[in-house]
Amino acid sequence: DAKTTQPPSMDCAEGRAANLPCNHSTISGNEYVYWYRQIHSQGPQYIIHGLKNNETNEMASLIITEDRKSSTLILPHATLRDTAVYYCIVRDHGSSNTGKLIFGQGTTLQVKP
Amino acid sequence: GAGVSQTPSNKVTEKGKYVELRCDPISGHTALYWYRQSLGQGPEFLIYFQGTGAADDSGLPNDRFFAVRPEGSVSTLKIQRTERGDSAVYLCASSPGTNGKNIQYFGAGTRLSVL
Repeated sequence: DAKTTQPPSMDCAEGRAANLPCNHSTISGNEYVYWYRQIHSQGPQYIIHGLKNNETNEMASLIITEDRKSSTLILPHATLRDTAVYYCIVRDHGSSNTGKLIFGQGTTLQVKP
Repeated sequence: GAGVSQTPSNKVTEKGKYVELRCDPISGHTALYWYRQSLGQGPEFLIYFQGTGAADDSGLPNDRFFAVRPEGSVSTLKIQRTERGDSAVYLCASSPGTNGKNIQYFGAGTRLSVL
């Protein structure tokens, strides 16, 4: 079972920030928070990941709470092309870990004009 | 550069037939993963290769499913005696390293329909 909880769907107006929440209350110290997205008829695409500090890249920002029990993915200026299913995944970076991803059902983000 | 390539993009077969699905990973990636995605669900892990060997096949649903990666590059997922419940999108991903932090890059998948 996935270790994360996400709302099933969200809407966002084009040009506005999209804030996608994720709860991971049972996260352990070795586990990172990863975000992937899946646009219709494509494979999942990596967005960003972090451990405890906030992270930013060219696609998005990741805000992780101090207790690490939840996080928010922020798309600063959503476009219609950002319409997709967004998956929040926790993943252990330990050397014995195979790296397999355990997906939940994600959040379907609909960006509207 | 070239991404992960999966062929065919669509496969229609009849119940009871044998099918092979191919994955060409990104050149130089040592890790390769197969996932299965049913309609409306997130992808589910099937099997992981590190080089030529299957390091984790805990996600394969039964012995009708088998995968190989003989030269440590291209992988083939094989399904025997297909059933209607095998209908799904089969996704392949590759990753440059062996430890958990390496990012996985996915192909577009093969949509399998078993009639």
